[in-house]
Amino acid sequence: NAGVTQTPKFQVLKTGQSMTLQCAQDMNHEYMSWYRQDPGMGLRLIHYSVGAGITDQGEVPNGYNVSRSTTEDFPLRLLSAAPSQTSVYFCASSYGGSRHTGELFFGEGSRLTVL
Amino acid sequence: AQKVTQAQTEISVVEKEDVTLDCVYETRDTTYYLFWYKQPPSGELVFLIRRNSFDEQNEISGRYSWNFQKSTSSFNFTITASQVVDSAVYFCAPRHTGRRALTFGSGTRLQVQP
Repeated sequence: NAGVTQTPKFQVLKTGQSMTLQCAQDMNHEYMSWYRQDPGMGLRLIHYSVGAGITDQGEVPNGYNVSRSTTEDFPLRLLSAAPSQTSVYFCASSYGGSRHTGELFFGEGSRLTVL
Repeated sequence: AQKVTQAQTEISVVEKEDVTLDCVYETRDTTYYLFWYKQPPSGELVFLIRRNSFDEQNEISGRYSWNFQKSTSSFNFTITASQVVDSAVYFCAPRHTGRRALTFGSGTRLQVQP
């Protein structure tokens, strides 16, 4: 199993551009989420999904959109990039229901710079 | 409201010293889970341990041990005989029963000098 795969690993955008960070998992996990990590801070939850077709906002959702059309994929869209969105983004997944021990499996991260 | 605090921003020790990382989690909930994650310089996040709020028994796994005291809301993590490879940022992350998301503390950077 590849686990949680994020692409791209690095991206530079200009203010106002849009882009999509891809996240895919091959562990048949129901739960998927996106976090951002800023210097000196812990991870903050952007959006999450408890299953295909279901998404919800986290702590810092403004400026981001998500969708969950399949169990495997959970893309994060930046609608109009701003310098404040410069960060490292992590996608994570876990089992749901009775198998939900809570352990999150993380991707390797995507470093985004907005100029 | 819940609040997770990792008061130690950075700790520096010499190899083979023992080191304890502190985490305080304030909540009115009686049932929750607590996690520790490690982030080495390479940047990935590595799961270390999960504990339940109703299990205060201390646990030891190799050089790692955990001390959870519900009365003081503290969930501390000790590395015995630290090694250079232990150098990383360590995050405490609680989760409420019924929620999937983890709330991360701000992290403690551990530097182990040779």
